[in-house]
Amino acid sequence: AQTVTQSQPEMSVQEAETVTLSCTYDTSESDYYLFWYKQPPSRQMILVIRQEAYKQQNATENRFSVNFQKAAKSFSLKISDSQLGDAAMYFCAYRSEGYGGSQGNLIFGKGTKLSVKP
Amino acid sequence: DTGVSQDPRHKITKRGQNVTFRCDPISEHNRLYWYRQTLGQGPEFLTYFQNEAQLEKSRLLSDRFSAERPKGSFSTLEIQRTEQGDSAMYLCASSPNTGPTIYFGEGSWLTVV
Repeated sequence: AQTVTQSQPEMSVQEAETVTLSCTYDTSESDYYLFWYKQPPSRQMILVIRQEAYKQQNATENRFSVNFQKAAKSFSLKISDSQLGDAAMYFCAYRSEGYGGSQGNLIFGKGTKLSVKP
Repeated sequence: DTGVSQDPRHKITKRGQNVTFRCDPISEHNRLYWYRQTLGQGPEFLTYFQNEAQLEKSRLLSDRFSAERPKGSFSTLEIQRTEQGDSAMYLCASSPNTGPTIYFGEGSWLTVV
């Protein structure tokens, strides 16, 4: 079974600085997807960024980028130029490449609470 | 483009009562998921529909829980004889047949007193 581990329960960053959130996962599959979701205090889960395992290039979305190390099974999220609105819970999630049954579901880590200091 | 909507957003119920949550997925999304999230934890998978067919249920989904998606559009999650341990946020999500991203609703908070 696949597992996702986020070892940082809480992180803090100064506004305009850069912060990196860590995520490791365990799987025997070769094809899969990795996600970072953001859950602000309003509680709606919002997709931040997605990485396909078959792509060597790290995904980037504006101020958000990932460092995907497939061999090490590591998937960290870097937030540049942090803003007050970035304060939220961040969840790392894994999804198998197949679309049937449990392969289609997301497996989440426990999350990292990010605080942004003005 | 409307997102996944859930109703009610908050529900307080007495132990032993039944509650039902509704989820309307993004239009034309064939797949619909229910997750449960407790404070300080990531969401945990409960069940999954492909159109109207319920393809998988987690062991977390006890006999008191039932989910339906009768016409392959909206879904309901019913909890019978609620217990205090059922207090959590129930998240609904949907995704298209093609494309790996799953989109979440705002969740339905359940408090059992």
